[in-house]
Amino acid sequence: KAGVTQTPRYLIKTRGQQVTLSCSPISGHRSVSWYQQTPGQGLQFLFEYFSETQRNKGNFPGRFSGRQFSNSRSEMNVSTLELGDSALYLCASSLEGQGREKLFFGSGTQLSVL
Amino acid sequence: DQQVKQNSPSLSVQEGRISILNCDYTNSMFDYFLWYKKYPAEGPTFLISISSIKDKNEDGRFTVFLNKSAKHLSLHIVPSQPGDSAVYFCAASRGGSYIPTFGRGTSLIVHP
Repeated sequence: KAGVTQTPRYLIKTRGQQVTLSCSPISGHRSVSWYQQTPGQGLQFLFEYFSETQRNKGNFPGRFSGRQFSNSRSEMNVSTLELGDSALYLCASSLEGQGREKLFFGSGTQLSVL
Repeated sequence: DQQVKQNSPSLSVQEGRISILNCDYTNSMFDYFLWYKKYPAEGPTFLISISSIKDKNEDGRFTVFLNKSAKHLSLHIVPSQPGDSAVYFCAASRGGSYIPTFGRGTSLIVHP
């Protein structure tokens, strides 16, 4: 079974631009979460999607948004990029029910904002 | 407000010895705890978990201990191997939420 796939792996943008990141979950996983990892800050929860609906949201500004498609694939968008948005963005999928906390992560998209 | 704390940013251990990684939490509502391992250029991978109804869970060389009264958990790796060198993240979640809160990670280096 293929793992979680994130594209692109690397991205360089300039301040003020917007960016879209893509995530394909493991087949059969309907829950997709997004996390931001910065040096020394651990993994910060952005949002979770299930059945095309945002089910949970972290404490990030409205510039960060996402969506999920009927095939469970998800995209994350960041508008009006700031230097502080430079980070590794991780997508994770999980099964429903018991063990839902067990996340399967992709390799991430490394975003650099210049 | 950091609800899950890993106070040691790094840990260095000799191959064959025990590695002990520590994690503290502040939210008494957390009832499920997980450890993830992360190699460079890869996403974190699930390692082991424990429910609050237990105080110990083992999986091969990995054992997690939970002390609810102290709001503390630890991951023991015995014996440590060079391939264990990675960043280890502690995570906690509460019933009904399912969204794990992660610590900042501890970088483990196992020397041959």
